[in-house]
Amino acid sequence: DTEVTQTPKHLVMGMTNKKSLKCEQHMGHRAMYWYKQKAKKPPELMFVYSYEKLSINESVPSRFSPECPNSSLLNLHLHALQPEDSALYLCASSPQPKRGAGTSYFFGPGTRLTVL
Amino acid sequence: AQSVTQLGSHVSVSEGALVLLRCNYSSSVPPYLFWYVQYPNQGLQLLLKYTSAATLVKGINGFEAEFKKSETSFHLTKPSAHMSDAAEYFCAVSANTGNQFYFGTGTSLTVIP
Repeated sequence: DTEVTQTPKHLVMGMTNKKSLKCEQHMGHRAMYWYKQKAKKPPELMFVYSYEKLSINESVPSRFSPECPNSSLLNLHLHALQPEDSALYLCASSPQPKRGAGTSYFFGPGTRLTVL
Repeated sequence: AQSVTQLGSHVSVSEGALVLLRCNYSSSVPPYLFWYVQYPNQGLQLLLKYTSAATLVKGINGFEAEFKKSETSFHLTKPSAHMSDAAEYFCAVSANTGNQFYFGTGTSLTVIP
């Protein structure tokens, strides 16, 4: 299994809703990431989990709350979002990099989020 | 610090013509360089990567890229464009330690029949 899966594919939510995005990989990768991508823009890093611990939070608003229940799963909990949070949310995973080795990211297909 | 610059946010080529997408990098350490493709409404797919082995890297779908240290470049090429190559292409760089990835701003490729 060499893929990252994300559910749901599409999500429409109101500003008062609470929802969660899910990401799963079974490649044994120990680093997992959440990215936000606006149309025609590169992905922007939100969070990095390394060995199930949050290692990087790129000053993301608290209405986004990540969770890594185990080494295969990554969730992004959403609450009180704003319309400008509408975007494609991408999950990625990678093996832990070793000195001298290049690390590829494997991306999921993304969740298209619309906030009304 | 690492960064990449993609020259040309939009590139149009005729079907069958050469595809050339430009990427220049800036890195204080030997970089690892990647090209990703994103088709409409999809995630990112790895095309190829440079990890300090051969300077000419062959990827999927007939694409290749050449690492040129003297020019700090990693341009993506394909000899003959196909309609299915129309997509957004991102160059990215990472260091050999840490797990952060830095994307360029992307190049949108249009293939004209």
